[in-house]
Parts: sequence; C-alpha cells; structure tokens
Amino acid sequence: GQQLNQSPQSMFIQEGEDVSMNCTSSSIFNTWLWYKQDPGEGPVLLIALYKAGELTSNGRLTAQFGITRKDSFLNISASIPSDVGIYFCAGLPLRSQGNLIFGKGTKLSVKP
Amino acid sequence: DAGITQSPRYKITETGRQVTLMCHQTWSHSYMFWYRQDLGHGLRLIYYSAAADITDKGEVPDGYVVSRSKTENFPLTLESATRSQTSVYFCATQRGGPGTEAFFGQGTRLTVV
Repeated sequence: GQQLNQSPQSMFIQEGEDVSMNCTSSSIFNTWLWYKQDPGEGPVLLIALYKAGELTSNGRLTAQFGITRKDSFLNISASIPSDVGIYFCAGLPLRSQGNLIFGKGTKLSVKP
Repeated sequence: DAGITQSPRYKITETGRQVTLMCHQTWSHSYMFWYRQDLGHGLRLIYYSAAADITDKGEVPDGYVVSRSKTENFPLTLESATRSQTSVYFCATQRGGPGTEAFFGQGTRLTVV
C-alpha cells in the first residue's frame, strides 16, 4: 500500500530552538494534515492543507503543502516544553478509496 | 459534552474472550474509523464506515468486527482476543468527505493476557 515517510523519527532539542519535520511520498496527495499526540491522548489536528504550495500558520506552527504534492513540512518556532509529544502527518492520496494515510510520527523532546 | 467519546479507557482481557470497544460521537459526522496504534507502526486503519449500515475493511481487519446501526455509534468487537491485539485503539470521525480533517477520541488501551 501507499506509505508516508516521516522524518526524523525523534528529536531532542533545547527550549527556544526551532524544529522542522517533514513527510514525503512517492505518490501525489490531495490533502496534508498535521497532528500532535500528547502522552495518553488521541491525536489532535494542528493544521490542514488542501492546495499545492499552501503555507498555513497556527501560532508558532507553520506547515506547507509541497508544490510537487508529494511532500509537506511542519515547522515549530521557539519551542517550549509543552511542545513535547508525537507529531503525525497524514495525507489523502490522489487515487484512493478516501482514507487518510498516516506517517509513523516524529517524537519531540524539549529540554528546558 | 459534544465530541467523540471512547469507552472504556483501559481494558484487560484474557486470550479467547470477546471484547467490545465503544465509540460515540455527537457531531453526526458521516465517516467513522477505527485505528490501532503500535510502536513502530504508527496508526493503522482497522475498519471504517461511510454511513450507518455501511462498513468496510481497512489495512488490518482480521480478528475484528464492526457494526454501525446508528450514525453516532461505531463499536469495535474482538471476537476472540489474542495477545497480538494488545494495542491502543482510536476511534475517529471525519467532518466532510474522505480526506477532510479527522477528529480522534482519547483512545482505549487494551491488554490481552
């Protein structure tokens, strides 16, 4: 089946640093979504992207829908301890039955 | 409260027993999904439903049964639980059609001993 390659798998950063993570695919996607999962909770939607080239911000978070439609990135600026968690990308392939495909997640750790 | 609710939050069951995980939503979203989350695998789709009385298999459906007699409920049943089904299970809904934002419940942590 189709897969999303999400990287990095994990990150250990200092508070205040910027963070960048991305998802890539060999297939074209119509939709890119970014989620955050706190320990013991379900994923929560951060940003949704529906157009190639679209750049969307949500506070300190910025995500872009790649122009090739095969990738997306998420940036977090000036990280804080509550940014800790697992970040997932999800996408809808161009030719699909309609179900989202999820990346395996990026685990973010922030040192105060 | 509005939203999506899963129950129970935690469950321990024995191998071979039948167990049902519940999912209830108050939004009237058409689409509902069941995922399992395991270390190294991310979120894998078990079953989904496009509307009441319409269900279909996802990536890992074996050993699971679903039903959806009402729009708001989407229970997941493990007919004869196995240790490999120890996992965290998430129910989700989608507001619009396929590919729109999915909203997740808090999860059910199931342990099969």
